[in-house]
Amino acid sequence: AQKVTQAQTEISVVEKEDVTLDCVYETRDTTYYLFWYKQPPSGELVFLIRRNSFDEQNEISGRYSWNFQKSTSSFNFTITASQVVDSAVYFCALSEEVRRALTFGSGTRLQVQP
Amino acid sequence: DAGVTQSPTHLIKTRGQQVTLRCSPKSGHDTVSWYQQALGQGPQFIFQYYEEEERQRGNFPDRFSGHQFPNYSSELNVNALLLGDSALYLCASSSPGTVLHEQYFGPGTRLTVT
Repeated sequence: AQKVTQAQTEISVVEKEDVTLDCVYETRDTTYYLFWYKQPPSGELVFLIRRNSFDEQNEISGRYSWNFQKSTSSFNFTITASQVVDSAVYFCALSEEVRRALTFGSGTRLQVQP
Repeated sequence: DAGVTQSPTHLIKTRGQQVTLRCSPKSGHDTVSWYQQALGQGPQFIFQYYEEEERQRGNFPDRFSGHQFPNYSSELNVNALLLGDSALYLCASSSPGTVLHEQYFGPGTRLTVT
């Protein structure tokens, strides 16, 4: 069975601080996909990134970066120089196959104070 | 290009009633998945439809059923509503033609059962 754990329930930072959201996953599959989604107060889940289990290269996209480590089954997400607009709930998710069911973590609520 | 749309936005039902939620996938997408998100939790996979058939199902009772139409739109039906069915119901669509293979989510239908 698959499982995604986001131990941080809520994080509060001041604008311009860096913040890292943790994600630990469990799966028996050798091939799997990891995702991060953002859910603003409007409720719609916004796709941020997908990572394949066979590609451990870290990725940076603007102020966002992701650190994928198979050895520790972690897929952490860092926001550099946080902004108030980053305030949202962030979900880490796992899928055994592309386009198949996503298993979500419980989410981390990020509040960025001005 | 319209994204995933869902109707209605909000719905209030009484325990024991039946409800139908609707989803139109993003243009060009042929696969629709439904998720239930209880307050303060991550989305949980209900089922997925592809080529008008249920392809995958999560751990939900038979009270939850669905349908996919030839135009790829989908309905989620819930019978004999329970108070615990109160949640945000999210629809997601995807397509084999999607480069990143990610699932695009709609804004959701907020169901309240009283």
